[in-house]
Amino acid sequence: RKEVEQDPGPFNVPEGATVAFNCTYSNSASQSFFWYRQDCRKEPKLLMSVYSSGNEDGRFTAQLNRASQYISLLIRDSKLSDSATYLCVVTQTGANNLFFGTGTRLTVIP
Amino acid sequence: EPEVTQTPSHQVTQMGQEVILRCVPISNHLYFYWYRQILGQKVEFLVSFYNNEISEKSEIFDDQFSVERPDGSNFTLKIRSTKLEDSAMYFCASSAAAYNSPLHFGNGTRLTVT
Repeated sequence: RKEVEQDPGPFNVPEGATVAFNCTYSNSASQSFFWYRQDCRKEPKLLMSVYSSGNEDGRFTAQLNRASQYISLLIRDSKLSDSATYLCVVTQTGANNLFFGTGTRLTVIP
Repeated sequence: EPEVTQTPSHQVTQMGQEVILRCVPISNHLYFYWYRQILGQKVEFLVSFYNNEISEKSEIFDDQFSVERPDGSNFTLKIRSTKLEDSAMYFCASSAAAYNSPLHFGNGTRLTVT
């Protein structure tokens, strides 16, 4: 069973649309949660941490549901520059590394 | 903004040769990592390093791999005898703390083994 599972997409949405990505994790001892974005052939870059109470950063909203072991990312008013692969990332208690999902590819269309 | 730097950006080597990938983490960070990403696949953890020793490593990080922090700034990954399947993008990362602290990645070294 994979540590972190994501719908690989691709998601093709028009500019201005709202799009949501989901992610599930297998280990209930998972401790910290992040969304990273990765542009083609580039390094992953932190988009936002995900807190238990949910958090928002501009057009981006992240939610965590520990009971269902589920993380989500909502992007409102999509921009062309949002086109990238979005990586769900999880750490586990006592483990000093990140587990990456395979990523969800988003293309925002003019 | 401080950043993690990696050299070279692209390394081509023949099967069986040794390669050393170099990284300069962010200066006040204490935790260092190597990850790899085979083309089209997910980012995979190789090893983490803290206080001059390996703190964790994955199944991928076998005896052919080693890491070193030879001085106060560099963090290297050595592959002793490269195989075709070692071809991948190798990312170095650093963080200020463990567990809850997000990682800052370098821009990667693309390793091609022929």
